[in-house]
Amino acid sequence: EAGVVQSPRYKIIEKKQPVAFWCNPISGHNTLYWYRQNLGQGPELLIRYENEEAVDDSQLPKDRFSAERLKGVDSTLKIQPAELGDSAVYLCASSFSPRAGELFFGEGSRLTVL
Amino acid sequence: QKEVEQDPGPLSVPEGAIVSLNCTYSNSAFQYFMWYRQYSRKGPELLMYTYSSGNKEDGRFTAQVDKSSKYISLFIRDSQPSDSATYLCAMSAREGGSEKLVFGKGTKLTVNP
Repeated sequence: EAGVVQSPRYKIIEKKQPVAFWCNPISGHNTLYWYRQNLGQGPELLIRYENEEAVDDSQLPKDRFSAERLKGVDSTLKIQPAELGDSAVYLCASSFSPRAGELFFGEGSRLTVL
Repeated sequence: QKEVEQDPGPLSVPEGAIVSLNCTYSNSAFQYFMWYRQYSRKGPELLMYTYSSGNKEDGRFTAQVDKSSKYISLFIRDSQPSDSATYLCAMSAREGGSEKLVFGKGTKLTVNP
């Protein structure tokens, strides 16, 4: 069974440029998460989807971040414009049941903003 | 005070040692307790999952939860170089009708051959 697929794995951009990350969750997983992980820190939730609905986006900086999950499958996270402080690893995860706490993570997209 | 506290280490041990990793928490609503392992430049993977006080064993790994002290531990017996990774504790609670999952900072472990 294929795991959570993310792309790109690495992205280097200059500040004020836009960037987008893509995630394909495990087939059948209705819950999808985007996390941000700064160096030496644990993952921090940006947004959680149940199917197509964003059920928790309270930590998403909405002035520059946006996300969508079309048809309840793939998801895209966008940053526009990027700032220096956005340099981090962006992790996508999926799960079958949100109560379980069992998340399956992708390998992450490492963003460097110069 | 952060909801979940985890000593970031780093922790360096010789091969074969017993490793103890710990987290404390302040939110008594946490019901589910997890340990994730994260290798360098990889995503976290679930290692252990418990929901009650006591011990849960899986091979060389034992997860321990003490809800009265708000303290969880992960023990690794006969540690191997392949156990070298960052270990993240995570805890889940139900708030406002939805699940809340909080991760610790992670403890970086190196097992030396």
